[in-house]
Amino acid sequence: SQTIHQWPATLVQPVGSPLSLECTVEGTSNPNLYWYRQAAGRGLQLLFYSVGIGQISSEVPQNLSASRPQDRQFILSSKKLLLSDSGFYLCAWSSGHGNTEAFFGQGTRLTVV
Amino acid sequence: GQSLEQPSEVTAVEGAIVQINCTYQTSGFYGLSWYQQHDGGAPTFLSYNALDGLEETGRFSSFLSRSDSYGYLLLQELQMKDSASYFCAVRDLKGRDDKIIFGKGTRLHILP
Repeated sequence: SQTIHQWPATLVQPVGSPLSLECTVEGTSNPNLYWYRQAAGRGLQLLFYSVGIGQISSEVPQNLSASRPQDRQFILSSKKLLLSDSGFYLCAWSSGHGNTEAFFGQGTRLTVV
Repeated sequence: GQSLEQPSEVTAVEGAIVQINCTYQTSGFYGLSWYQQHDGGAPTFLSYNALDGLEETGRFSSFLSRSDSYGYLLLQELQMKDSASYFCAVRDLKGRDDKIIFGKGTRLHILP
């Protein structure tokens, strides 16, 4: 069966510090991968998506970046965090074909102080 | 671009039926999905419609009209545990772009 791992679950970082959130998927190959951010009580904003290794598409200009060094690994990074980067970050995967079911990791709650 | 509209909040009584509507605008529509999210948790998949009509899964049903760019989620025999946020989402497939866009979510409040 397929599983998705995302870590850490919570993170408190000072303004100006770097960020690295990692997400890995098991049990499937060539998944579509997504990073979303959710502000408290709000919707899911798509940040990045990837349809293959090394292929990253950005939805929203910001000081975040994403990389996909391996087929089932998706990393969200920042060189210098801003207060506005606080939020709930969710990694998700879906198959490249068929329905639109997306499977989410448990999320990382990031607080920038 | 893409956009999805759904009500921000809905209130219903335990045991009743509630409908959450969603209208969407996208260039490469490939299906409408619904997700449930409890406070502090990750969204979980509920249902998917690629074609017009009604899909039923237990107490939950979902409807799609592609000509109207409209869908809804129907929850029957509401239980207190159904209190959560519900999101509609569209898969936008166009060329090499393949992304899933979510609405802002509908907070469902259930009264005893």
